[in-house]
Amino acid sequence: SAVISQKPSRDICQRGTSLTIQCQVDSQVTMMFWYRQQPGQSLTLIATANQGSEATYESGFVIDKFPISRPNLTFSTLTVSNMSPEDSSIYLCSVARGGLDYGYTFGSGTRLTVV
Amino acid sequence: GESVGLHLPTLSVQEGDNSIINCAYSNSASDYFIWYKQESGKGPQFIIDIRSNMDKRQGQRVTVLLNKTVKHLSLQIAATQPGDSAVYFCAAFITGGGNKLTFGTGTQLKVEL
Repeated sequence: SAVISQKPSRDICQRGTSLTIQCQVDSQVTMMFWYRQQPGQSLTLIATANQGSEATYESGFVIDKFPISRPNLTFSTLTVSNMSPEDSSIYLCSVARGGLDYGYTFGSGTRLTVV
Repeated sequence: GESVGLHLPTLSVQEGDNSIINCAYSNSASDYFIWYKQESGKGPQFIIDIRSNMDKRQGQRVTVLLNKTVKHLSLQIAATQPGDSAVYFCAAFITGGGNKLTFGTGTQLKVEL
């Protein structure tokens, strides 16, 4: 399976600021996803990062708040903009090779605390 | 859409016993399911998967059972060990449904010595 490097692993940020999270994969992958995991809860899909086009956002998530880039098949960033304490969560990058192999691999996550 | 839920938020078992974690899903179009294990401070780790054309699949010390009639799947862990302590999530996938995994709420498995 793919190896994912996600950074930073954790950060404490002031409200009103923005944080960009990076996801680097050791091989080319067709699908990249960004998830949010609020404290003690399950994973919620934020968006699908599309290479060469705008990300596809899930209901409740908007580009202005969570801009995403995917310049190539091995890298993506998620920015959490104008942060508030409610954005304190773990943000996870996930990749899938697509086709008949639906295996989804997750990065170790970015633990964000907004104060 | 799809919602995936787990019956119990916490499961405590004695070391050496077998563990059974259950999961219900709502969308009969779901055709692929994955169980993940998440240890504290880490991302979810793939355990085992099963496609809808199967009703059982076995791995190393783990077995997943799928009952499509009642839209239920379970994860069985044999001879549970302290290292199995984690949160377990089931996730459902619909082929052609945007390639998105929908996650259940999670079960905390605690292994008592």
